[in-house]
Amino acid sequence: DAGVTQSPTHLIKTRGQHVTLRCSPISGHKSVSWYQQVLGQGPQFIFQYYEKEERGRGNFPDRFSARQFPNYSSELNVNALLLGDSALYLCASSSDRWDTGELFFGEGSRLTVL
Amino acid sequence: QQQVKQSPQSLIVQKGGISIINCAYENTAFDYFPWYQQFPGKGPALLIAIRPDVSEKKEGRFTISFNKSAKQFSLHIMDSQPGDSATYFCAARRNEKLTFGTGTRLTIIP
Repeated sequence: DAGVTQSPTHLIKTRGQHVTLRCSPISGHKSVSWYQQVLGQGPQFIFQYYEKEERGRGNFPDRFSARQFPNYSSELNVNALLLGDSALYLCASSSDRWDTGELFFGEGSRLTVL
Repeated sequence: QQQVKQSPQSLIVQKGGISIINCAYENTAFDYFPWYQQFPGKGPALLIAIRPDVSEKKEGRFTISFNKSAKQFSLHIMDSQPGDSATYFCAARRNEKLTFGTGTRLTIIP
């Protein structure tokens, strides 16, 4: 069975640009979460979606937005990129309710902002 | 505000030894405590998890010990192997959000 898949795996942007990251959850999983992992630190919660509705938002500016599609895949959008947005962006999916299921992570999209 | 504190930052253990990583939390509303293993260039992989109504959980060489009154939990890796060399993260969940520790880089030497 395919795990959580993310694209692109690596990308380079310049300050001020916009980026869209994509995630496909494990088949049958209805919950998708996004985390930001800065080098040398633990992942930080950005968003959680369950059944296409936003269930939680972390302490990130409004430049960060996300959505979940009818097939449960998801996009994370970041506008007006800053150097500090350089990080590994992780998507995770869960089969059950957003507050009871185990989280399974993808391998991430590594964003470099120059 | 760091709600989950993890130590040590790095750990070197001889092959066959016991690796111990500790975490402490502040928020008593956390209801699920997983440990993740992460290799370079990969996403975190769930290793083992525990709920606060259980004091210990063992899966193979991996054991979580949980002390609810002290708000602490730890990961023990028995018979540590070179393949266990990775970064380990503890985490705690409340509602939809996982809060991660800062990670422990574990190196197993021959």
